[in-house]
Amino acid sequence: GDSVTQMEGPVTLSEEAFLTINCTYTATGYPSLFWYVQYPGEGLQLLLKATKADDKGSNKGFEATYRKETTSFHLEKGSVQVSDSAVYFCARGQGAQKLVFGQGTRLTINP
Amino acid sequence: DARVTQTPRHKVTEMGQEVTMRCQPILGHNTVFWYRQTMMQGLELLAYFRNRAPLDDSGMPKDRFSAEMPDATLATLKIQPSEPRDSAVYFCASGLLGAETQYFGPGTRLLVL
Repeated sequence: GDSVTQMEGPVTLSEEAFLTINCTYTATGYPSLFWYVQYPGEGLQLLLKATKADDKGSNKGFEATYRKETTSFHLEKGSVQVSDSAVYFCARGQGAQKLVFGQGTRLTINP
Repeated sequence: DARVTQTPRHKVTEMGQEVTMRCQPILGHNTVFWYRQTMMQGLELLAYFRNRAPLDDSGMPKDRFSAEMPDATLATLKIQPSEPRDSAVYFCASGLLGAETQYFGPGTRLLVL
């Protein structure tokens, strides 16, 4: 069935480091792809999305490119801040407006 | 700034008690989703509604869980009787018909003793 696999966490980086969180999805159809972020004690918030192959989603310095050939949607940021510490979820559309989420990757940024 | 609201934010109860969680979707949104988040299972879809009609509740334990939308501004998730294994954070999310983006509420953190 439809699934999303994310890089296992936790991930710990120093401030201003480069970030990559890997995400791959099962290649049934041409789903929309999403990254959501969950800050401590809060619900998930949409960070960025891409709806077709080669689209790049971007927001708050984060980017992810829809790669159909590798079924991937890796999240990147050039210089992370302490305020980026959160749990990041990759998701794919499943049809009928449902989403399938990855297991989440906890990111901690140290000053 | 339109948001999904959920009440209560925290609930501590004893095993066997009924628990009711409420969600107010963003005005104009016509799809509503209920999720459960635990450390072990991650984020699980329990049920979802479109135009107040339940479309899929296959993720929900049928014997003790029920979900309803009495009107377009209120969705409820009930657990009766509650069990310690129901302890989790329950999220409601809403969306617009035809759009895949879901907007999440802050969650209800449930602890069943």
